Amino acid sequence: EPEVTQTPSHQVTQMGQEVILRCVPISNHLYFYWYRQILGQKVEFLVSFYNNEISEKSEIFDDQFSVERPDGSNFTLKIRSTKLEDSAMYFCASRIPGATLKAFFGQGTRLTVV
Amino acid sequence: AQTVTQSQPEMSVQEAETVTLSCTYDTSESDYYLFWYKQPPSRQMILVIRQEAYKQQNATENRFSVNFQKAAKSFSLKISDSQLGDAAMYFCAYRNRREDDKIIFGKGTRLHILP
Repeated sequence: EPEVTQTPSHQVTQMGQEVILRCVPISNHLYFYWYRQILGQKVEFLVSFYNNEISEKSEIFDDQFSVERPDGSNFTLKIRSTKLEDSAMYFCASRIPGATLKAFFGQGTRLTVV
Repeated sequence: AQTVTQSQPEMSVQEAETVTLSCTYDTSESDYYLFWYKQPPSRQMILVIRQEAYKQQNATENRFSVNFQKAAKSFSLKISDSQLGDAAMYFCAYRNRREDDKIIFGKGTRLHILP
C-alpha cells in the first residue's frame, strides 16, 4: 500500500530556532493535513491544505506556523521560532478528493525543543 | 464543538482472547463518520475500521468489529482472537461529513497483547 513519508523521524532544536518538518504525501493525493500530539495528550488538528492554500486551521496554528507545498511533491510545516511547548509528535496526512473516509498518515516526526 | 473520549489509557489482553476498547463522542451533527486507527510502535497510523453514522449496521473487518450506539454516542472496538501484531496504540476518531473537514481524535488506548 502507498505510504506518506515524513522526515526526519526525530528532530531536536533549541528554543527560538526555526524548524521545517517535511512530508511526502502519496502522489495523486490533493488534500493535505498536519496534526500534532503532545505526549500523553490527544492528536490535535493543526491545518488542512488544498489547491495550494489553507482550507482550515486550528487556533494552535498561529503566526509562528506556516505550510507550503514548494515543489508539487513535498508538503512542509515550518515553525518560525520554536517554543518548549511545541515539543510533540507531528503527523502529516493526505487523501484524494471524494475519498472522504480514508486519510493516509505518515509515521510522524518527533520534535523536541530544548 | 465535537469531542472524542477514550477512557482507557492502557489495556492488556491474552493472545487469542477478545478485547473491547471504549470510545464515546459528542456532536450536534447527525451525519458523520467514526473511525478506529491503529498505530504500531514507530509506524504510521492506519485505518482499521470505519462507520458511517447513517448506517445502523455495525461495521466489521475480519477480526475487528464495532458496536455503534448512535443515541448513546458510543463507538467501541472489539478485537477477536487477539494476535501479537495487534499490539499498538488505538485511536478513536470522528469526522463530519463535509468534504474537507478535519478528523478529531481521542487520546488513544495502548493495547498490550500477552503471549
